[in-house]
Amino acid sequence: LAKTTQPISMDSYEGQEVNITCSHNNIATNDYITWYQQFPSQGPRFIIQGYKTKVTNEVASLFIPADRKSSTLSLPRVSLSDTAVYYCLVGGNAGNMLTFGGGTRLMVKP
Amino acid sequence: GAVVSQHPSWVICKSGTSVKIECRSLDFQATTMFWYRQFPKQSLMLMATSNEGSKATYEQGVEKDKFLINHASLTLSTLTVTSAHPEDSSFYICSARVGSLEEQYFGPGTRLTVT
Repeated sequence: LAKTTQPISMDSYEGQEVNITCSHNNIATNDYITWYQQFPSQGPRFIIQGYKTKVTNEVASLFIPADRKSSTLSLPRVSLSDTAVYYCLVGGNAGNMLTFGGGTRLMVKP
Repeated sequence: GAVVSQHPSWVICKSGTSVKIECRSLDFQATTMFWYRQFPKQSLMLMATSNEGSKATYEQGVEKDKFLINHASLTLSTLTVTSAHPEDSSFYICSARVGSLEEQYFGPGTRLTVT
């Protein structure tokens, strides 16, 4: 299983761009990278998924370098409601994207 | 689309009793469902993987006789915590996946408190 390493916590202010980096040095060829957001007492919510280069959707961007050993979730112009824990998961088929790392606790301040 | 529900959202039970938690995929058929447990301020820990019509696969350290999982249909999986003890108090979350797609859809979670 590809293990992930993320910063334990990050602080930011409203309106700023936040970049959370995840290391996954032993990512396999068929592994995808997926990010989830979790609020207290709720299930994780899918944010974005990618395989290589850059992926963008309405809420975030995901940057993946050529070696794929890390990835960066970019949240543009965060608001207080973005305060949550963000998890990076790595995996491919056969159900091996099931291991949650410690996650990054993002605190957005006014 | 891709909504997963759990019932109940919270439950309090007495030590020694059993509690059943349901996980349903509302608008899609889930070939695989997963059960996680999460303690306060900790990450999610996978307990077991269940495929419709077959026995669940439990992670190391998870007692299969204590945490009974049934996946009788493509839209319903149940987790029964048998002979619950206070240390079983936790947040239980299920997720569902369609085929070999990488994305998992998570339920809202069930808060279990054993007194």
